[in-house]
Amino acid sequence: EPEVTQTPSHQVTQMGQEVILRCVPISNHLYFYWYRQILGQKVEFLVSFYNNEISEKSEIFDDQFSVERPDGSNFTLKIRSTKLEDSAMYFCASKKETQYFGPGTRLLVL
Amino acid sequence: AQRVTQPEKLLSVFKGAPVELKCNYSYSGSPELFWYVQYSRQRLQLLLRHISRESIKGFTADLNKGETSFHLKKPFAQEEDSAMYYCALSESKSGGSYIPTFGRGTSLIVHP
Repeated sequence: EPEVTQTPSHQVTQMGQEVILRCVPISNHLYFYWYRQILGQKVEFLVSFYNNEISEKSEIFDDQFSVERPDGSNFTLKIRSTKLEDSAMYFCASKKETQYFGPGTRLLVL
Repeated sequence: AQRVTQPEKLLSVFKGAPVELKCNYSYSGSPELFWYVQYSRQRLQLLLRHISRESIKGFTADLNKGETSFHLKKPFAQEEDSAMYYCALSESKSGGSYIPTFGRGTSLIVHP
């Protein structure tokens, strides 16, 4: 069964550094999403992407965040200048009719 | 603003006992409601959604618009049901795009 994959599984970075989280959605899916979950808190929607552009974004998704689908298969989330509070689990998801989640990338900002 | 409340952080039952995981929502329009499950060391996955009206792994959930609730129920819990359960609400938009709001989750532990 096809799955959403995410790399890396864990990333540790210094505050102020740029990070890129990568996702490979399921191939025939049309909608792509990023969520985050800060430890002990709820899953929060960040952004949705459809037809090569952002379709929805939350208040969390500020100018420090960007998404890209550079080559038709990867779907990336970039955080330009990481802050301590960006430490979280980041989930990618893709959807055709049903949404499927990736395993997540645990980001730790020191 | 849409909001999802799962009042129980932890629910602990014995195998064979009935289970009800509570979910209440706040939304002015006509929402779509979902239950997601995350088993230990596995990814988040959709369990069921109200529009399907289906039973998955013995779980059912009925949308009660009067009480603004979407409680998840199973008559006889199994040990393998132990997991984190998240209720989510989404505003349905044209084009299939949506912004889901998740509850904080309820950890279900089923003891042998």
